Amino acid sequence: QVQLQESGPGLVKPSGTLSLTCAVSGGSISGRSWWSWVRQPPGKGLEWIGETYHSGSTNYNPSLKSRVTISVDKSKNQFSLKLSSVTAADTAMYYCARNGGSTNFDHWGQGTLVTVSS
Amino acid sequence: QSVLTQPPSVSAAPGQKVTISCSGSSSSIGNNYVSWYQQLPGTAPKLLIFENNKRPSGIPDRFSGSKSGTSATLGITGLQTGDEADYYCGTWENSLTAVLFGGGTKLTVL
Repeated sequence: QVQLQESGPGLVKPSGTLSLTCAVSGGSISGRSWWSWVRQPPGKGLEWIGETYHSGSTNYNPSLKSRVTISVDKSKNQFSLKLSSVTAADTAMYYCARNGGSTNFDHWGQGTLVTVSS
Repeated sequence: QSVLTQPPSVSAAPGQKVTISCSGSSSSIGNNYVSWYQQLPGTAPKLLIFENNKRPSGIPDRFSGSKSGTSATLGITGLQTGDEADYYCGTWENSLTAVLFGGGTKLTVL
Protein backbone atom coordinates (compact mmCIF):
# COMPACT_ATOMS: atom_id res chain seq x y z
CA GLN A 1 0.00 0.00 0.00
CA VAL A 2 1.46 3.30 -1.11
CA GLN A 3 1.86 5.87 1.64
CA LEU A 4 2.82 9.53 1.35
CA GLN A 5 4.19 11.78 4.08
CA GLU A 6 4.72 15.52 3.83
CA SER A 7 7.43 17.31 5.75
CA GLY A 8 8.78 20.83 6.00
CA PRO A 9 8.59 24.06 8.00
CA GLY A 10 5.19 24.99 9.34
CA LEU A 11 5.98 28.71 9.36
CA VAL A 12 7.38 30.77 6.50
CA LYS A 13 8.03 34.51 6.45
CA PRO A 14 6.34 36.73 3.85
CA SER A 15 8.38 37.06 0.65
CA GLY A 16 10.23 33.87 1.56
CA THR A 17 10.17 30.47 -0.09
CA LEU A 18 7.97 27.61 1.05
CA SER A 19 9.72 24.24 0.76
CA LEU A 20 8.06 20.88 1.34
CA THR A 21 9.01 17.28 0.67
CA CYS A 22 6.77 14.25 0.16
CA ALA A 23 8.28 10.87 1.00
CA VAL A 24 6.74 7.93 -0.83
CA SER A 25 6.76 4.47 0.74
CA GLY A 26 5.24 1.15 -0.27
CA GLY A 27 5.88 1.80 -3.94
CA SER A 28 8.37 3.30 -6.36
CA ILE A 29 8.15 6.90 -7.47
CA SER A 30 9.55 5.66 -10.78
CA GLY A 31 6.35 3.86 -11.71
CA ARG A 32 3.73 5.04 -14.17
CA SER A 33 2.14 7.61 -11.85
CA TRP A 34 2.31 11.37 -11.72
CA TRP A 35 2.86 12.95 -8.31
CA SER A 36 1.02 16.11 -7.28
CA TRP A 37 0.81 18.86 -4.71
CA VAL A 38 -2.63 20.13 -3.69
CA ARG A 39 -3.37 22.85 -1.16
CA GLN A 40 -6.38 23.96 0.84
CA PRO A 41 -6.58 27.36 2.55
CA PRO A 42 -8.39 27.28 5.90
CA GLY A 43 -12.12 26.87 5.35
CA LYS A 44 -11.78 26.82 1.56
CA GLY A 45 -11.65 24.30 -1.27
CA LEU A 46 -8.91 22.28 -2.93
CA GLU A 47 -6.43 23.89 -5.31
CA TRP A 48 -4.09 21.84 -7.49
CA ILE A 49 -0.57 23.26 -7.49
CA GLY A 50 1.21 21.01 -9.95
CA GLU A 51 2.65 17.60 -10.68
CA THR A 52 5.82 15.79 -11.63
CA TYR A 53 6.73 12.52 -13.30
CA HIS A 54 9.81 10.49 -12.44
CA SER A 55 11.39 11.66 -15.68
CA GLY A 56 11.34 15.21 -14.33
CA SER A 57 8.45 16.36 -16.51
CA THR A 58 6.12 18.80 -14.80
CA ASN A 59 2.77 20.54 -15.18
CA TYR A 60 1.80 23.54 -13.10
CA ASN A 61 -1.35 25.47 -12.24
CA PRO A 62 -1.16 28.53 -14.51
CA SER A 63 -2.10 30.81 -11.62
CA LEU A 64 0.97 29.68 -9.64
CA LYS A 65 3.37 28.73 -12.42
CA SER A 66 5.67 31.73 -12.06
CA ARG A 67 6.36 30.89 -8.40
CA VAL A 68 6.32 27.07 -8.31
CA THR A 69 8.97 24.41 -8.80
CA ILE A 70 8.22 20.72 -8.30
CA SER A 71 11.08 18.26 -8.52
CA VAL A 72 11.65 14.54 -8.00
CA ASP A 73 14.47 12.69 -6.26
CA LYS A 74 14.33 9.07 -7.41
CA SER A 75 17.24 8.03 -5.18
CA LYS A 76 15.24 9.03 -2.10
CA ASN A 77 11.83 8.07 -3.52
CA GLN A 78 10.47 11.52 -2.83
CA PHE A 79 9.35 14.69 -4.55
CA SER A 80 9.42 18.30 -3.47
CA LEU A 81 7.62 21.61 -3.75
CA LYS A 82 9.09 25.09 -3.72
CA LEU A 83 6.82 28.13 -3.77
CA SER A 84 8.55 31.49 -3.86
CA SER A 85 7.52 35.02 -2.88
CA VAL A 86 4.88 33.76 -0.48
CA THR A 87 2.20 35.94 1.09
CA ALA A 88 -0.51 35.34 3.67
CA ALA A 89 -2.69 34.06 0.82
CA ASP A 90 -0.40 31.03 0.59
CA THR A 91 -1.30 29.93 4.11
CA ALA A 92 -2.90 26.53 3.66
CA MET A 93 -2.86 22.83 4.34
CA TYR A 94 -0.53 21.33 1.75
CA TYR A 95 -1.14 17.76 0.57
CA CYS A 96 0.92 15.53 -1.66
CA ALA A 97 -0.99 12.96 -3.69
CA ARG A 98 -0.53 10.28 -6.29
CA ASN A 99 -2.38 10.49 -9.59
CA GLY A 100 -3.39 6.89 -10.17
CA GLY A 101 -4.22 7.57 -13.81
CA SER A 102 -7.01 9.47 -15.58
CA THR A 103 -6.56 12.31 -13.09
CA ASN A 104 -7.72 10.43 -10.03
CA PHE A 105 -5.83 10.98 -6.80
CA ASP A 106 -5.92 7.58 -5.14
CA HIS A 107 -3.37 8.14 -2.39
CA TRP A 108 -2.94 11.26 -0.26
CA GLY A 109 -0.60 12.35 2.47
CA GLN A 110 -2.09 13.49 5.76
CA GLY A 111 -1.28 17.09 4.93
CA THR A 112 0.94 19.70 6.55
CA LEU A 113 -0.20 23.16 7.59
CA VAL A 114 1.99 25.99 6.40
CA THR A 115 1.42 29.46 7.80
CA VAL A 116 2.91 32.54 6.18
CA SER A 117 3.53 35.12 8.86
CA SER A 118 6.29 37.33 10.19
CA GLN B 1 -12.67 31.04 -8.89
CA SER B 2 -13.15 27.39 -9.88
CA VAL B 3 -14.36 26.60 -13.42
CA LEU B 4 -15.99 23.43 -12.14
CA THR B 5 -19.24 24.52 -10.54
CA GLN B 6 -20.75 22.64 -7.60
CA PRO B 7 -23.61 23.67 -5.31
CA PRO B 8 -22.19 25.01 -2.03
CA SER B 9 -24.39 22.77 0.06
CA VAL B 10 -26.96 19.97 -0.05
CA SER B 11 -28.91 18.27 2.68
CA ALA B 12 -31.17 15.28 3.17
CA ALA B 13 -32.46 13.04 5.91
CA PRO B 14 -30.85 9.77 7.00
CA GLY B 15 -31.74 6.93 4.66
CA GLN B 16 -32.59 9.26 1.81
CA LYS B 17 -30.74 9.88 -1.46
CA VAL B 18 -28.85 12.98 -2.52
CA THR B 19 -27.13 14.06 -5.72
CA ILE B 20 -24.31 16.55 -6.15
CA SER B 21 -23.70 18.14 -9.53
CA CYS B 22 -20.45 19.31 -11.12
CA SER B 23 -20.65 21.50 -14.20
CA GLY B 24 -17.70 22.15 -16.48
CA SER B 25 -16.97 22.71 -20.15
CA SER B 26 -16.05 20.86 -23.31
CA SER B 27 -12.35 21.28 -22.53
CA SER B 28 -12.72 19.85 -19.03
CA ILE B 29 -15.50 17.41 -18.18
CA GLY B 30 -16.63 17.12 -21.79
CA ASN B 31 -13.44 15.40 -22.87
CA ASN B 32 -11.94 13.95 -19.71
CA TYR B 33 -12.71 11.56 -16.89
CA VAL B 34 -14.24 12.90 -13.67
CA SER B 35 -13.31 11.82 -10.16
CA TRP B 36 -15.03 12.53 -6.84
CA TYR B 37 -13.53 12.95 -3.38
CA GLN B 38 -14.94 12.88 0.15
CA GLN B 39 -13.28 15.03 2.79
CA LEU B 40 -14.36 14.35 6.34
CA PRO B 41 -13.64 17.15 8.83
CA GLY B 42 -9.96 17.43 9.66
CA THR B 43 -8.85 14.72 7.24
CA ALA B 44 -7.30 14.44 3.81
CA PRO B 45 -9.57 13.94 0.80
CA LYS B 46 -10.45 10.34 -0.11
CA LEU B 47 -11.12 9.05 -3.61
CA LEU B 48 -14.76 7.94 -3.98
CA ILE B 49 -15.27 7.68 -7.73
CA PHE B 50 -12.81 7.59 -10.63
CA GLU B 51 -13.22 7.49 -14.41
CA ASN B 52 -16.73 8.92 -14.06
CA ASN B 53 -18.42 5.93 -12.45
CA LYS B 54 -15.91 3.45 -11.00
CA ARG B 55 -15.50 2.83 -7.29
CA PRO B 56 -12.14 2.03 -5.69
CA SER B 57 -11.96 -1.08 -3.58
CA GLY B 58 -13.67 -0.54 -0.24
CA ILE B 59 -16.07 2.19 -1.37
CA PRO B 60 -19.66 1.00 -0.83
CA ASP B 61 -22.09 0.86 -3.74
CA ARG B 62 -24.19 3.53 -2.02
CA PHE B 63 -21.86 5.92 -3.85
CA SER B 64 -22.25 6.25 -7.63
CA GLY B 65 -21.07 8.56 -10.37
CA SER B 66 -22.28 9.51 -13.80
CA LYS B 67 -21.35 11.92 -16.58
CA SER B 68 -23.33 13.48 -19.38
CA GLY B 69 -21.83 16.02 -21.74
CA THR B 70 -20.09 18.70 -19.72
CA SER B 71 -21.62 17.77 -16.37
CA ALA B 72 -21.11 15.02 -13.81
CA THR B 73 -23.14 13.84 -10.85
CA LEU B 74 -22.33 12.08 -7.60
CA GLY B 75 -25.15 10.11 -6.04
CA ILE B 76 -25.32 8.86 -2.48
CA THR B 77 -28.12 6.56 -1.34
CA GLY B 78 -29.03 5.34 2.13
CA LEU B 79 -27.56 8.46 3.72
CA GLN B 80 -25.80 8.05 7.06
CA THR B 81 -24.67 10.68 9.53
CA GLY B 82 -21.13 9.54 8.81
CA ASP B 83 -21.54 10.77 5.23
CA GLU B 84 -21.51 14.39 6.44
CA ALA B 85 -18.49 15.80 4.67
CA ASP B 86 -17.31 18.05 1.88
CA TYR B 87 -17.41 16.52 -1.59
CA TYR B 88 -15.24 17.64 -4.52
CA CYS B 89 -15.23 16.79 -8.20
CA GLY B 90 -12.03 16.87 -10.20
CA THR B 91 -10.92 16.55 -13.80
CA TRP B 92 -8.27 17.59 -16.30
CA GLU B 93 -8.61 20.85 -18.20
CA ASN B 94 -7.16 20.58 -21.70
CA SER B 95 -6.79 24.30 -22.45
CA LEU B 96 -4.99 25.01 -19.16
CA THR B 97 -3.04 21.72 -19.07
CA ALA B 98 -4.02 21.53 -15.43
CA VAL B 99 -6.12 19.67 -12.90
CA LEU B 100 -9.31 21.38 -11.81
CA PHE B 101 -11.29 20.82 -8.65
CA GLY B 102 -14.83 21.98 -8.07
CA GLY B 103 -15.45 24.45 -5.29
CA GLY B 104 -16.80 21.71 -3.04
CA THR B 105 -20.22 20.80 -1.68
CA LYS B 106 -20.99 20.45 2.00
CA LEU B 107 -23.37 17.58 2.68
CA THR B 108 -25.53 17.80 5.78
CA VAL B 109 -27.47 14.74 6.90
CA LEU B 110 -30.34 16.19 8.88
